[in-house]
Amino acid sequence: GESVGLHLPTLSVQEGDNSIINCAYSNSASDYFIWYKQESGKGPQFIIDIRSNMDKRQGQRVTVLLNKTVKHLSLQIAATQPGDSAVYFCAENTSGTYKYIFGTGTRLKVLA
Amino acid sequence: KAGVTQTPRYLIKTRGQQVTLSCSPISGHRSVSWYQQTPGQGLQFLFEYFSETQRNKGNFPGRFSGRQFSNSRSEMNVSTLELGDSALYLCASSSQLAGATGTQYFGPGTRLLVL
Repeated sequence: GESVGLHLPTLSVQEGDNSIINCAYSNSASDYFIWYKQESGKGPQFIIDIRSNMDKRQGQRVTVLLNKTVKHLSLQIAATQPGDSAVYFCAENTSGTYKYIFGTGTRLKVLA
Repeated sequence: KAGVTQTPRYLIKTRGQQVTLSCSPISGHRSVSWYQQTPGQGLQFLFEYFSETQRNKGNFPGRFSGRQFSNSRSEMNVSTLELGDSALYLCASSSQLAGATGTQYFGPGTRLLVL
């Protein structure tokens, strides 16, 4: 099926360090992107979004960067905490398609 | 505001049976999407409904179907279950206006095990 970012890497970071999670998306026509966090046994939780007319957006401890030239998204988490341990997914949407395409995800492990 | 709810949360079925899963969207949300999540394939789009109309469908066999009611609640049905249908089925809702893109919020999912 369709997917974004076919690999499922694991990122291990020390508590308090910054984390950067990357995602390559597939469709150059995609104009809306979301990062989700999924903890074990739960549904994906919205973290932050960005539209294609922006290249950066900041939230609380999180920043999303969008590079349309190379079809790349990144999620930066500042001062990573144990509660940030989860699988993170990027998702892309193209207006009018009414569906999201998800990456396979990145597992973030926070080391104490 | 209550989040997306899905029932049942867990389900065990045998091959050949059929199953119906239910989703209640966030109040005011008229778009409901369904996804299948498996370790091997990740999150795969099944279908999306808005005002009782299916607007898009993913690459799944016809055994997978869905519908949406006038109150925006949605159900999906899988007939003639196969072992490979074992997965977490996720529902997401958005306040998507016609033609626009809305942020999707997910429910906790229904874990289906086919024996």
